[in-house]
Amino acid sequence: AQKVTQAQTEISVVEKEDVTLDCVYETRDTTYYLFWYKQPPSGELVFLIRRNSFDEQNEISGRYSWNFQKSTSSFNFTITASQVVDSAVYFCALSARSNDYKLSFGAGTTVTVRA
Amino acid sequence: EAQVTQNPRYLITVTGKKLTVTCSQNMNHEYMSWYRQDPGLGLRQIYYSMNVEVTDKGDVPEGYKVSRKEKRNFPLILESPSPNQTSLYFCASSWGGHNEQFFGPGTRLTVL
Repeated sequence: AQKVTQAQTEISVVEKEDVTLDCVYETRDTTYYLFWYKQPPSGELVFLIRRNSFDEQNEISGRYSWNFQKSTSSFNFTITASQVVDSAVYFCALSARSNDYKLSFGAGTTVTVRA
Repeated sequence: EAQVTQNPRYLITVTGKKLTVTCSQNMNHEYMSWYRQDPGLGLRQIYYSMNVEVTDKGDVPEGYKVSRKEKRNFPLILESPSPNQTSLYFCASSWGGHNEQFFGPGTRLTVL
């Protein structure tokens, strides 16, 4: 079985603050993939990042960064210097080889950035 | 433009009246899937298809059917909708389940 837990339901910050979203996953596979998606108020789902289980390098893309730690089964996402446009629901997801690469999503974290 | 389209975008129906939500992609993707999104539960996979004529159950398949007769289309069928199927539905496609999935705009379904 595989599972993704996003313990933070909602986070509210003031613009320019940093915000970190936690994601903890469970899988017995050694080959798996982790994803983050963003769902802005308009409702569409936007892909942010994909990371495979063999690549533990952290990644930075502009104000976004991701910290992948296999030792703690976590794939956390940080938004630096948040902006109002970052207000959205963020989903962490996992797909694993033994599960036909079915995508399992966490419940999502709603981020509200106040001006 | 590469995209996944879904129709209709909004639908209000009554219990028991069969309906189909269409999904089409123009990226020649082999993998397609359907999800439902409910508050506090994230997205849950209903059915997926790895290729034409190959479909399999996701985590919440009860009450739904799918077919994959052509690569580009993956319709979701509710033979006898019930109020607990009121939800926001997303279709997605990708080169494989381990790749980035491209999502359609969503279909908001209300079953009265």
